[in-house]
Amino acid sequence: DTGVSQNPRHKITKRGQNVTFRCDPISEHNRLYWYRQTLGQGPEFLTYFQNEAQLEKSRLLSDRFSAERPKGSFSTLEIQRTEQGDSAMYLCASSRGGTTGDNEQFFGPGTRLTVL
Amino acid sequence: AQTVTQSQPEMSVQEAETVTLSCTYDTSENNYYLFWYKQPPSRQMILVIRQEAYKQQNATENRFSVNFQKAAKSFSLKISDSQLGDTAMYFCASFSSGTYKYIFGTGTRLKVLA
Repeated sequence: DTGVSQNPRHKITKRGQNVTFRCDPISEHNRLYWYRQTLGQGPEFLTYFQNEAQLEKSRLLSDRFSAERPKGSFSTLEIQRTEQGDSAMYLCASSRGGTTGDNEQFFGPGTRLTVL
Repeated sequence: AQTVTQSQPEMSVQEAETVTLSCTYDTSENNYYLFWYKQPPSRQMILVIRQEAYKQQNATENRFSVNFQKAAKSFSLKISDSQLGDTAMYFCASFSSGTYKYIFGTGTRLKVLA
């Protein structure tokens, strides 16, 4: 296993279009997180999954955003009716889970979204 | 609510010198963890060092060490013998064992000068 992977790495779309990103976590990790990162800022929490269950979604996330993790493996993040303000790097991270020491997050390379 | 504050947007250090990056946090949790992550230019974020809040001893990883002051809610990162490869954005983060959420600071851009 080579780590967390994300596809596509870059996405350019026109305003109003829908986009979908995929994240493949490290196979034995049961927690998966999505973040948004804009230039010069830290990762901003969007949502996370424990196995296939989506346990929390940021209140900053509009209902145009939806995420799934069927079967507790890969995850998808969909943005409907994209807006220019959605332009950002979308990061995925996974962790083994648990509360004692095994909560290190491993990050993917991110998907850079540009909305024209 | 958890918050993480990094008050140094940019720093620079001469190669082989020592630099300290600051971080303060706030949490109402008793069981939490603190992290420093490194994000090199155009590369993935990787873990630098981790501190369990219940441990009084400061964590160290080779040239990287932390100064964890629990009462002051301070968690600074010291990089000794800085190398050109240390040039990166550094993010301080907290993890709550109650919410399983990570909160990141806004980052410090560190440049190591030859």
